[in-house]
Amino acid sequence: EAQVTQNPRYLITVTGKKLTVTCSQNMNHEYMSWYRQDPGLGLRQIYYSMNVEVTDKGDVPEGYKVSRKEKRNFPLILESPSPNQTSLYFCASSSPGQGTYGYTFGSGTRLTVV
Amino acid sequence: DQQVKQNSPSLSVQEGRISILNCDYTNSMFDYFLWYKKYPAEGPTFLISISSIKDKNEDGRFTVFLNKSAKHLSLHIVPSQPGDSAVYFCAAATTGNQFYFGTGTSLTVIP
Repeated sequence: EAQVTQNPRYLITVTGKKLTVTCSQNMNHEYMSWYRQDPGLGLRQIYYSMNVEVTDKGDVPEGYKVSRKEKRNFPLILESPSPNQTSLYFCASSSPGQGTYGYTFGSGTRLTVV
Repeated sequence: DQQVKQNSPSLSVQEGRISILNCDYTNSMFDYFLWYKKYPAEGPTFLISISSIKDKNEDGRFTVFLNKSAKHLSLHIVPSQPGDSAVYFCAAATTGNQFYFGTGTSLTVIP
């Protein structure tokens, strides 16, 4: 089944403790992206990647890092999480060959930083 | 600054009637527009899209209209069904695959 898989689904952590949210897609998509969803703010792009070793900042990159060493994986790293990073995170992937620019989204990771 | 805006946080419609969800944008460089549907505890799923060179795209019960001069797009659902109850996000994209999402409209279809 074609899908984007994020792990973990739920995470509670403490301020300052480094964490990584993994994202993997099995559709051979070139494009991958991370979003956060907050009440009243919709979905905001954190980072995106157009291919292996190519990443760029989205609208809200502060406090986050990403890497794209392999085509299928795009982990999101929070080096020193803070409470304002408590949010619902989505990873997504797409391919320019799809013709619709439509992203396939993962099921989300709900992160709470205390 | 919000480049894509959905000014109605919620909408209620009777089953069988038309649902109209609206979206406004500010950047005239957007060349692709999309609608996503999101159920609780799931990721958004792609619903329908439209290129900036078109003014209408239809897919079954779903039609998206684009008015470039007004920088406005809308999603029409006819007839509305209870299973359509979800949060709908509009999004706009540039050729660089930079996506901008609206804040979402929660649609409730009343049986």
